[in-house]
Amino acid sequence: QQQVKQSPQSLIVQKGGISIINCAYENTAFDYFPWYQQFPGKGPALLIAIRPDVSEKKEGRFTISFNKSAKQFSLHIMDSQPGDSATYFCAASMEYGNKLVFGAGTILRVKS
Amino acid sequence: DGGITQSPKYLFRKEGQNVTLSCEQNLNHDAMYWYRQDPGQGLRLIYYSQIVNDFQKGDIAEGYSVSREKKESFPLTVTSAQKNPTAFYLCASTTGGNSPLHFGNGTRLTVT
Repeated sequence: QQQVKQSPQSLIVQKGGISIINCAYENTAFDYFPWYQQFPGKGPALLIAIRPDVSEKKEGRFTISFNKSAKQFSLHIMDSQPGDSATYFCAASMEYGNKLVFGAGTILRVKS
Repeated sequence: DGGITQSPKYLFRKEGQNVTLSCEQNLNHDAMYWYRQDPGQGLRLIYYSQIVNDFQKGDIAEGYSVSREKKESFPLTVTSAQKNPTAFYLCASTTGGNSPLHFGNGTRLTVT
């Protein structure tokens, strides 16, 4: 199975709150899990990525949590800001950066 | 500045016409990709090329064609055989190894 399932479809968070987006996968051969951020009219840009040998990776306000046994990973945005309002995609691949399989995306709106 | 240039940003065509979308990169990346983005469906892989003069079908290649005559260029032709061509098309590239996938800013194609 190549599918990556992402939820929720959309999310509204108050400024300063925590945004949480979840993804689940079936293919245990996946070994690279990035998150991309996309602003309207632009291409996606890599936000943060994780390999399955670690359970958590943090970069600034963004954290990926990875649960290998459950085949799930999530993005946490701490202290969410209006500038974080964008569409977020999780993805997975069997080769670093190549042939990524994307989730359906989550539209995040941070209210000020 | 190195990057990926997609042109034009907006493209309008009549049904039954073939149309070619341009993608040029000056990142010296070996691999290039075309994705299609539809609301609520994430990004789906159309074609990819890992070296010059070679390319492979992705998950939704029907009705599309590509060429890779130069390392820097990977044009996508949307043919009249594509049943539902109206979409946002994204080109991406990577050099593999430790390099993430870089995206262009997309071409929005509208066919009426």
